[in-house]
Amino acid sequence: AQKVTQAQTEISVVEKEDVTLDCVYETRDTTYYLFWYKQPPSGELVFLIRRNSFDEQNEISGRYSWNFQKSTSSFNFTITASQVVDSAVYFCALSEGAGSYIPTFGRGTSLIVHP
Amino acid sequence: EPEVTQTPSHQVTQMGQEVILRCVPISNHLYFYWYRQILGQKVEFLVSFYNNEISEKSEIFDDQFSVERPDGSNFTLKIRSTKLEDSAMYFCASSAWATAQNTEAFFGQGTRLTVV
Repeated sequence: AQKVTQAQTEISVVEKEDVTLDCVYETRDTTYYLFWYKQPPSGELVFLIRRNSFDEQNEISGRYSWNFQKSTSSFNFTITASQVVDSAVYFCALSEGAGSYIPTFGRGTSLIVHP
Repeated sequence: EPEVTQTPSHQVTQMGQEVILRCVPISNHLYFYWYRQILGQKVEFLVSFYNNEISEKSEIFDDQFSVERPDGSNFTLKIRSTKLEDSAMYFCASSAWATAQNTEAFFGQGTRLTVV
């Protein structure tokens, strides 16, 4: 069974602080995919990243970076020098195997960035 | 940039009424999905659709729900007799392929359904 845990319900930071959003997953499959989505106050879901289980390289995209560690079943997301526009709910999601794209979402972490 | 379009953005309906939520997936995509998000909760998978039939569905997707691709562009979710607990944001998504390896799912802006 899949399970995605985002233990942090809400994080509040001041602009320019770095912040890390945690994601821990459970799966018995050796092939799986991990995702992060952003849901701003307007409500839409915005795709941020996909990572497959065979690629443990960390990824950086501008102020965003992701740390994938299979040893701890974690796929954490760091925002460097946070900005008010980063305020949103961030969802981590897991999809197993090569049969279909059906991600299971975590409960989300609400990030509030204060000016 | 191609996008998934959902209409209406907000629908208010009385309990027991039927509603149809509409989605226009990205034109060359072949796989379509519905998710829902009850306010403040996680996004939950409802159903996936390919080649004019349901490929997977969750336990949430019971006989009250149905999906259809009535023409070459629209993908609809019908809720036959709405209940208060159906109030949620409903997201449509589409992808070019089924496997997560080759594609991402593009999500629409969502339709907020309020059942009163």
